[in-house]
This record gives sequence, C-alpha cells and structure tokens, in this order.
Amino acid sequence: GENVEQHPSTLSVQEGDSAVIKCTYSDSASNYFPWYKQELGKRPQLIIDIRSNVGEKKDQRIAVTLNKTAKHFSLHITETQPEDSAVYFCAARGSSNTGKLIFGQGTTLQVKP
Amino acid sequence: DADVTQTPRNRITKTGKRIMLECSQTKGHDRMYWYRQDPGLGLRLIYYSFDVKDINKGEISDGYSVSRQAQAKFSLSLESAIPNQTALYFCATSEPDRPYSNQPQHFGDGTRLSIL
Repeated sequence: GENVEQHPSTLSVQEGDSAVIKCTYSDSASNYFPWYKQELGKRPQLIIDIRSNVGEKKDQRIAVTLNKTAKHFSLHITETQPEDSAVYFCAARGSSNTGKLIFGQGTTLQVKP
Repeated sequence: DADVTQTPRNRITKTGKRIMLECSQTKGHDRMYWYRQDPGLGLRLIYYSFDVKDINKGEISDGYSVSRQAQAKFSLSLESAIPNQTALYFCATSEPDRPYSNQPQHFGDGTRLSIL
C-alpha cells in the first residue's frame, strides 16, 4: 500500500542553524506534498506545500524540494528560531481524486536558544 | 473565523463503552476526514467523506464507524472501546481540488481519548 517514510524522528539544532527533514513516498502517482507543523497541544497547521510539477518552493525561511525520480521530498528551515520548535509532518497524496493524505511519522524539532 | 470544532476535547472512559466524537465545521467544505495520532506513527486516516451520501474507509477503520449527518457535521463512533484505541483524534476538512490548485486540509483542535 501507499507509504511515507520520514526522517529523522527527532532533530535538535542551535538557534540560527538550518534544519532539514526528509521524506520518501512509495506511490509514484503522488502529486501533492504538504508539510504540517504541530506545536505542543495544538492542531496540525499547513506551513508549505508543493505540487509534483514543481521542483522547489520557498516561503521566507522555509523551503521544500521535490525529487520525483527518487520519490523524495524535503523541508528546509533556515535561520531557525525557538518558535520553530514543534513536530513536523510530511504527507503525500496519490493521483486518485480522493483527497486522501498519507502522513509520515513526524519529526520533533527542538531549536536551542 | 470559519473553523473546525471538535467535542469533547478530552474524554476518559472504560473498556466496552460506546463513545461518540463529534466534529462540526463552518468552513463550508464538502470533504471531511477523521484521523488518529499516535506517538511515532504520525496521523492515520480512519474514515473520510466527500458529502453526506459518501462515506469511505481509510487505513484503520476496524473498530470505528462514522456518520455524516449534514455537510457541516461528521461524527466518529467507537462501538465498544478498547484500550488500544487510546489516542489523539483529529477531524479535518477540505475543499475539492481545483485545476492546478490543490486544496489543503484544515484540522480541528483534537480530542484526547483515554480508554481504561
């Protein structure tokens, strides 16, 4: 079945450093890849997404890259700040028009001041 | 602001009890979803619905049932709760995708369910 693997499960960086979270997906027909941030005790919130016809997308300090050949996509956070500390989830959606997302296992990011 | 509201926010109950979790939304979205979140497993889809006449099973539907009472309401039931159903449950909504534009899912605040 469809599967999304996310690594690492935990990531600790110093404030100001960059953080990278990586995901791989199994369904080659997947065409939409959102990233969600979940702060402690809060709901997941969309922070950035990318479609399969785009290789990279950037929004201020956050960027996502997609390698369709390798079935791999990554979240890059530059100049990390303590408020970036949260759990981050990647997800992939197949080509069927169901809206179903398959989520990765999550990465707990800790930014140390 | 239009939102997704889940009730209750927290619930503790005993094995064998019937539980209903409710979700309502004022976003006007047609599509609604139920997920459960477990540490280290991410978010897993239980059921989803495209409209009041459309209900579909997700990855882990066994032991759960749903009801789409109206466009704005989607309830999740545990007919006979068991301890391994202890988890954080999220409802989400979305619009159908448009050409060249994917519509994101919007989540509620979650229901923390503990089954003793």
